[in-house]
Amino acid sequence: KQEVTQIPAALSVPEGENLVLNCSFTDSAIYNLQWFRQDPGKGLTSLLLIQSSQREQTSGRLNASLDKSSGRSTLYIAASQPGDSATYLCAVDGATNKLIFGTGTLLAVQP
Amino acid sequence: DTEVTQTPKHLVMGMTNKKSLKCEQHMGHRAMYWYKQKAKKPPELMFVYSYEKLSINESVPSRFSPECPNSSLLNLHLHALQPEDSALYLCASSQDGVSGNTIYFGEGSWLTVV
Repeated sequence: KQEVTQIPAALSVPEGENLVLNCSFTDSAIYNLQWFRQDPGKGLTSLLLIQSSQREQTSGRLNASLDKSSGRSTLYIAASQPGDSATYLCAVDGATNKLIFGTGTLLAVQP
Repeated sequence: DTEVTQTPKHLVMGMTNKKSLKCEQHMGHRAMYWYKQKAKKPPELMFVYSYEKLSINESVPSRFSPECPNSSLLNLHLHALQPEDSALYLCASSQDGVSGNTIYFGEGSWLTVV
């Protein structure tokens, strides 16, 4: 059974700092991995999707990497801003078209 | 337009009520999903519709009844719910039911069962 874990559970950083969020999964047989952002009381916003054949994806200040063999993904956020404060969720898509979500990292960027 | 619209945003219902949650997308997607999210927990899959047919039911109790009237609409009919069913219900869609496509989520419907 696929299990997805995110470390740390919570993170507080000063504005302008670069940071890394971690995601690990137990079954490397995945189609892709997707990173989402969730603001309090809101739905999920897709940030980046990495196909299993890819190593990384970039969008603006965000860079996501995938090491399928070791079951790990990282989300790198450059020059963090208070507006980046949210919960970040990674999710893996196996052969069954079911997203399995990680436990999330609650990020607070202090002005 | 990458938008999934859910209504209502908030719903309070009694345990004997019958209500429905609605979801709509106009991206031409042929797969639609219902997820349930409890406070401070990740979303959990409930149902998947692919080409208007139910393809996945994650052993959800029958008091939750999904319906896909057409490729743009997805409903979740609610009847005889329990207080523990109170949660954020998220609708999502993707291009088709094949793994590998970006999944887009709506803002969710907050359900409170009293």
